[in-house]
Amino acid sequence: SYVLTQPPSVSVAPRQTATFTCGGDNIETKSVHWYQQKPGQAPVLVVYDDDDRPSGIPERFSGSNSGNTATLTISRVEAGDEADYFCQVWDSSSDHRLVFGGGTKLTVL
Amino acid sequence: QLQLQQSGPGLVKPSQNLSLTCTISGDSVANSDVVWNWIRQSPSRGLEWLGRTYYRSKWHTDYAVSVQGRITITTDTSKNQFSLQLDSVTPEDTGLYYCARRNTFMHDSFDVWGPGTPVTISS
Repeated sequence: SYVLTQPPSVSVAPRQTATFTCGGDNIETKSVHWYQQKPGQAPVLVVYDDDDRPSGIPERFSGSNSGNTATLTISRVEAGDEADYFCQVWDSSSDHRLVFGGGTKLTVL
Repeated sequence: QLQLQQSGPGLVKPSQNLSLTCTISGDSVANSDVVWNWIRQSPSRGLEWLGRTYYRSKWHTDYAVSVQGRITITTDTSKNQFSLQLDSVTPEDTGLYYCARRNTFMHDSFDVWGPGTPVTISS
């Protein structure tokens, strides 16, 4: 089955840029979705189809996808961005094609 | 505004059945452009998809291999809700259970999630 690899943690100071990676075999051929999950809350979709933002998500959130790595970028990080971030794709080799990454915890210093 | 409201017990004894319901407001469970899902989360398994139901001229359900044989997802169009039943639970079924909408217009992303129901399997 298809595997998505995310680093366990990222730390960044306020107003700096946070970068989250999601590694997968030839992931650039897939549509990648990103979710933000704050402590005690449900996940929220922040980027879909590599680089589109749902209504209500700030422009500070952006995504890209190339080669074997998809990337979520948060510019001008705020304390309220502290959360876990998960990537997700659909892959024909996985159970019902759904794959989630293990998530990356963002700590705002 | 679309909202998913979850209900069901948070504590279930081993070998008993877990039942959860997701009530939809702002959309229809019979909307043919979306898929309704149950997903659970635990420290050991991360986010784990359990099953789905959707309407495409008729009702369809699909289940994850990991729970196949123990899971049933049903819909109630009169109440605009869908439900999960997981039979013969064990402590490994402990986790946070979410209902979520998969939206075909957003490249099959999960664009709306319920608040989650923490479930503990313990005697």
